Amino acid sequence: DIQMTQSPASLSASLGETVTIECRASEDIYNGLAWYQQKPGKSPQLLIYNANSLHTGVPSRFSGSGSGTQYSLKINSLQSEDVASYFCQQYYDYPFTFGSGTKLEIK
Amino acid sequence: EVQLVESGGGLVQPGRSMKLSCAASGFTFNNYDMAWVCQAPKKGLEWVATISYDGSSTYYRDSVKGRFTISRDNAKSTLYLQMDSLRSEDTATYYCARLYYDGTYYYPLFDYWGQGVMVTVSS
Repeated sequence: DIQMTQSPASLSASLGETVTIECRASEDIYNGLAWYQQKPGKSPQLLIYNANSLHTGVPSRFSGSGSGTQYSLKINSLQSEDVASYFCQQYYDYPFTFGSGTKLEIK
Repeated sequence: EVQLVESGGGLVQPGRSMKLSCAASGFTFNNYDMAWVCQAPKKGLEWVATISYDGSSTYYRDSVKGRFTISRDNAKSTLYLQMDSLRSEDTATYYCARLYYDGTYYYPLFDYWGQGVMVTVSS
């Protein structure tokens, strides 16, 4: 199975700041990577697919980048509604696997 | 508006069975592959199973192969997960999810999720 190592596990930042979350795959996943946002008590929502394609309706302050085994999610101009957990998912190969998540809080 | 509404969860004893349902609306159900994804309490997400749009192909994670069965009834726009020989480690919230289609390609990632249904396996 492809292991997804996500960091950091938690993150605290101020409103308006830029934050970056990283995901490392145990082998090359050829940009088969998605990012999800999960707000407390809610189901996950798709943010990014194909490593860097913004899903419909997602604010442009979210962006994804990376290739090979290293990927990142950047959130510009952090807003209060961005408080959530963020997960990466590889879909290059079965079984599809998720990162362990990053909990983002506002300072 | 796309809606996925799960039902059928609850408390079940180890070794027993449970069947989850997911009623879909707001899109052409028989055009989409569907999946179940679970999340143990305070834990991360785990893909469980996927079924093709016509039910002809199914895929499972190793830990549920031979115990869980994913199926669908396109006439009723409903997805199912039959869970047999349940174990304590199956305790989780189970989400029904639609696989993503960008207009050209289908991708094994999930663009719509249900609200989730809790399954607790305990004696």
